[in-house]
Amino acid sequence: QKEVEQDPGPLSVPEGAIVSLNCTYSNSAFQYFMWYRQYSRKGPELLMYTYSSGNKEDGRFTAQVDKSSKYISLFIRDSQPSDSATYLCAMSGNTGGFKTIFGAGTRLFVKA
Amino acid sequence: EAQVTQNPRYLITVTGKKLTVTCSQNMNHEYMSWYRQDPGLGLRQIYYSMNVEVTDKGDVPEGYKVSRKEKRNFPLILESPSPNQTSLYFCASRRGQGARNTEAFFGQGTRLTVV
Repeated sequence: QKEVEQDPGPLSVPEGAIVSLNCTYSNSAFQYFMWYRQYSRKGPELLMYTYSSGNKEDGRFTAQVDKSSKYISLFIRDSQPSDSATYLCAMSGNTGGFKTIFGAGTRLFVKA
Repeated sequence: EAQVTQNPRYLITVTGKKLTVTCSQNMNHEYMSWYRQDPGLGLRQIYYSMNVEVTDKGDVPEGYKVSRKEKRNFPLILESPSPNQTSLYFCASRRGQGARNTEAFFGQGTRLTVV
C-alpha cells in the first residue's frame, strides 16, 4: 500500500464549477500537508500549505485536513481554464528528516 | 529572482553513456533533492543532500550518483544509463530539513530518454 493515495483522474469540469481533489494517507506521523500545481512541461509549484487539521483558504482555493480520517482535500471555487493542470498532494512529518511524500497527482481539465 | 535551474531540459542518450544533469539554486538553501516523475507513480526521491558534503539515498537511488561540493549546486550523475531510467527528472531545494522548511522549489525538469 502506498503511503499516499491520489486518484490520477483525469477530471474534466466546466468553467465555473467547484472542483474537489482528494488524497488519503496511511502514516499518522504526517503533520504538514501541501498541494502543488504542475502545469504541462513545468516543475511543481506550491499552492497551499497546512499544518495539522483544519481548513485554510486562499482566494478561490481551500485546503482541508482531517487527520482522524487521514484524508486531505483541495477545493477550487469558480474554476477557470487556467486551473487546468496536475495537482499533487504532498505531506511530511517527523519521519526521516521531514522527507516529503508526494501523491501521484490528479490531472484536471477545466473546459471553457 | 529565486529559482532552481536545471540543465539540460531535454536529453536523448544511448545505453551506457555517462551523463550529468546539473542543478543550481540561488536561494542559499541547505536542503536539495532529486526526484523522478513517472506516470502513475508520482514524484519519487532519488537522492537528497542536507548540506555541503552531506548526501543520502532516497527511495530509488539505484543507478544514480550525486555530489554536493558547493551549497548552490547538486548534480545528478548517471554512470551507465539504462532504458528504465527514461523519465522526467526534477531538482528541488528548500531552506532546511526542519518542520517549517518543507516548502520545496522545483526546477523546470529534465526529460531524459535512454535508447
